[in-house]
Amino acid sequence: DTEVTQTPKHLVMGMTNKKSLKCEQHMGHRAMYWYKQKAKKPPELMFVYSYEKLSINESVPSRFSPECPNSSLLNLHLHALQPEDSALYLCASSHEGRPADEQFFGPGTRLTVL
Amino acid sequence: GEDVEQSLFLSVREGDSSVINCTYTDSSSTYLYWYKQEPGAGLQLLTYIFSNMDMKQDQRLTVLLNKKDKHLSLRIADTQTGDSAIYFCAEASFNKFYFGSGTKLNVKP
Repeated sequence: DTEVTQTPKHLVMGMTNKKSLKCEQHMGHRAMYWYKQKAKKPPELMFVYSYEKLSINESVPSRFSPECPNSSLLNLHLHALQPEDSALYLCASSHEGRPADEQFFGPGTRLTVL
Repeated sequence: GEDVEQSLFLSVREGDSSVINCTYTDSSSTYLYWYKQEPGAGLQLLTYIFSNMDMKQDQRLTVLLNKKDKHLSLRIADTQTGDSAIYFCAEASFNKFYFGSGTKLNVKP
């Protein structure tokens, strides 16, 4: 199984809602990533988990809260988002988070904040 | 490492070669990557090159690295319509990735 799965595929939420994005991989990878991608822009790194510990937080606002319950799962909890947070949210995983480790990307969750 | 630049568009005819260029700024980058993104999909790693290499070839793909000029290129030989996508270069040091702006490749039949 060389797949990273993400649910849901699409999410529409209001600014007062609380929702979660989920990411799962069963490749035994120990590094997992959240990226945000706006239309026609490159992905921007948000968070990196290495061995289930948060190792990088790219100064992401606290309305985004990551969680890594175990080595196969990565969640992104959303609360009080703004319309400008609408984007494609990509999850990725890699073997150990070293630069040469290939990052496998999921298909993304398309988020719209009304 | 945050100023990775690419031209936005490239249009070629099927069967021609495509060359996508990228410039980066962080001389300490250890690895440089090329990713492909098809519409509505995530990113697919095509190839990568270590910073002490000048060239890497993998089937139809050739990566050239000019470390002095901080210039990276991806050549796709015999470009096919299925190669139409957005191509991102990325540089990495440790486990931080910075992506370029992406080049949209359009392959005309």
